[in-house]
Amino acid sequence: GDSVTQMEGPVTLSEEAFLTINCTYTATGYPSLFWYVQYPGEGLQLLLKATKADDKGSNKGFEATYRKETTSFHLEKGSVQVSDSAVYFCALSDRRGGSYIPTFGRGTSLIVHP
Amino acid sequence: DARVTQTPRDKVTEMGQEVTMRCQPILGHNTVFWYRQTMKQGLELLAYFRNRAPLDDSGMPKDRFSAEMPDATLATLKIQPSEPRDSAVYFCASGLSLNSVNTEAFFGQGTRLTVV
Repeated sequence: GDSVTQMEGPVTLSEEAFLTINCTYTATGYPSLFWYVQYPGEGLQLLLKATKADDKGSNKGFEATYRKETTSFHLEKGSVQVSDSAVYFCALSDRRGGSYIPTFGRGTSLIVHP
Repeated sequence: DARVTQTPRDKVTEMGQEVTMRCQPILGHNTVFWYRQTMKQGLELLAYFRNRAPLDDSGMPKDRFSAEMPDATLATLKIQPSEPRDSAVYFCASGLSLNSVNTEAFFGQGTRLTVV
């Protein structure tokens, strides 16, 4: 079945540091890939997405590139802020029985210190 | 601003009691998902509906959990009887899934359930 593996956290960084959160996936089809962010006490919000190989999703300074050859979708940001502290989820959406079903990784907690 | 609405936001109940969680999906979305989030298991897919029909509920404990969509504006997740191990945050999400269109899942804010 489909699965998503992402690096365990927490990831602790100082403000303005470079961020990478690794994500790899296994899928039977040709999935779309997503990064979601969850702030304390809230639901998941879409951060960025990519629907085909070599697509780059970007939003709020975050980027991720769909790498089909390495089945990866790593999240990067050049300079993190304290307000980026949250839990980040990598996900894929693959067709199953006529519907697209999201499958999520375990989440990676990011803590950014001033 | 369209959003998925879940009620209640928090629920504390005693073991053995019935719990009903409600979700209003985004208007026009045809797919609804129920997820459970715990520290131990992460996000688990419990059930999902397409065009109000249940397609898969294999993630749910069948003896105590049930999920329904009485109409297009309401999805419910019921636990009867509740147990302490059901304590978790339950999320509803909706999306649009057609042959050529597949939106991302839009999440509600969740219901935090505590069973004592």
